[in-house]
Amino acid sequence: DTEVTQTPKHLVMGMTNKKSLKCEQHMGHRAMYWYKQKAKKPPELMFVYSYEKLSINESVPSRFSPECPNSSLLNLHLHALQPEDSALYLCASSPLATSGGGNEQFFGPGTRLTVL
Amino acid sequence: AQKVTQAQTEISVVEKEDVTLDCVYETRDTTYYLFWYKQPPSGELVFLIRRNSFDEQNEISGRYSWNFQKSTSSFNFTITASQVVDSAVYFCAPSGGYQKVTFGTGTKLQVIP
Repeated sequence: DTEVTQTPKHLVMGMTNKKSLKCEQHMGHRAMYWYKQKAKKPPELMFVYSYEKLSINESVPSRFSPECPNSSLLNLHLHALQPEDSALYLCASSPLATSGGGNEQFFGPGTRLTVL
Repeated sequence: AQKVTQAQTEISVVEKEDVTLDCVYETRDTTYYLFWYKQPPSGELVFLIRRNSFDEQNEISGRYSWNFQKSTSSFNFTITASQVVDSAVYFCAPSGGYQKVTFGTGTKLQVIP
């Protein structure tokens, strides 16, 4: 199994809602990532987990809360989002990077989030 | 931290033409990696190629080839005999810090049949 799956594919939520995005991989990768991508822009790194521990938080607002319950799963909990948070949210995984970040990342298809 | 410049915003070529995508990067790291990713209209980013900073040998893999020149901080990517399925946005992405990849602004390639 060489794919990263993400659910849901699309999500529409109000600013007072609480929702979660899910990501799963079964490639034995020990690094997992969340990216945010606005239309016609490159992906922006949000969080990185290494060995199920948060290793990088790119100063993301607390209304985004990541969770890595085990080595195959990555969640992104959403609460009190703003309309400007509407974007494509991409999950990725990679073998744990050697120093210098040499391993390619495998991406899921993304969740397209709309905040009303 | 890395900075990436992909000066070509959009390129259109006719099928079977060769096309080169340019990438210029800035980094303070002495050791780093360079990647190219492809994002078709479906949205899923796909890894294409990787090069490390201490190996400047250029390579060919199928229809893909790349030209890495450390002296000019360039990492250009060429598709030979382009096909309609190559239509996508292509991102150059250096990685120096631990697990942190910086994506360039992307080049949108349209291959016209």
